[in-house]
Amino acid sequence: SAVISQKPSRDICQRGTSLTIQCQVDSQVTMMFWYRQQPGQSLTLIATANQGSEATYESGFVIDKFPISRPNLTFSTLTVSNMSPEDSSIYLCSVGNIGTGTDNEQFFGPGTRLTVL
Amino acid sequence: GQNIDQPTEMTATEGAIVQINCTYQTSGFNGLFWYQQHAGEAPTFLSYNVLDGLEEKGRFSSFLSRSKGYSYLLLKELQMKDSASYLCAVRGSYIPTFGRGTSLIVHP
Repeated sequence: SAVISQKPSRDICQRGTSLTIQCQVDSQVTMMFWYRQQPGQSLTLIATANQGSEATYESGFVIDKFPISRPNLTFSTLTVSNMSPEDSSIYLCSVGNIGTGTDNEQFFGPGTRLTVL
Repeated sequence: GQNIDQPTEMTATEGAIVQINCTYQTSGFNGLFWYQQHAGEAPTFLSYNVLDGLEEKGRFSSFLSRSKGYSYLLLKELQMKDSASYLCAVRGSYIPTFGRGTSLIVHP
């Protein structure tokens, strides 16, 4: 299994500011993802973080709003830019070696609880 | 596109058995996952099915019928700590799409 840490665990931010969330994994993984989970809702995939190249964004999410970095196989960041109260949510990092045929399990980090005032 | 349906909420009694159903329509199929999520915590992996049939893992079992687009999660000998949200997720290609989750309440 993979151990995932996220920083910060929670934050309260002002409208119009930006927050960068870090995700660190204890082993090299093929795939890293960023999800959002709004109160009472299920998980919505924001993007796949690609090592050494631009992230792949899902419909409804754009790079200007959610820039993502993945400089190596164990670390990624998600920035929530120009925040509004609608961005208040839990942001989850997820990893796995999906597609390699060796492991189908997808692990989740503890999440970052963001409140925008 | 993908569409995943599961009941919003279920209640059951401690010690009993409960079955949580999940139906799906997807453009492709590369496996179905069940996750458990306690309030305020991250989802944790429970099971993975890619072939038809029943997979048993302790008190939890998961069933898949690909032809019917149907799965269920069976929880036996329910404990109070099983109160949580149970998420069904279907992988069409590489990345799973999650259902809205079923909130299970176990009462004494």
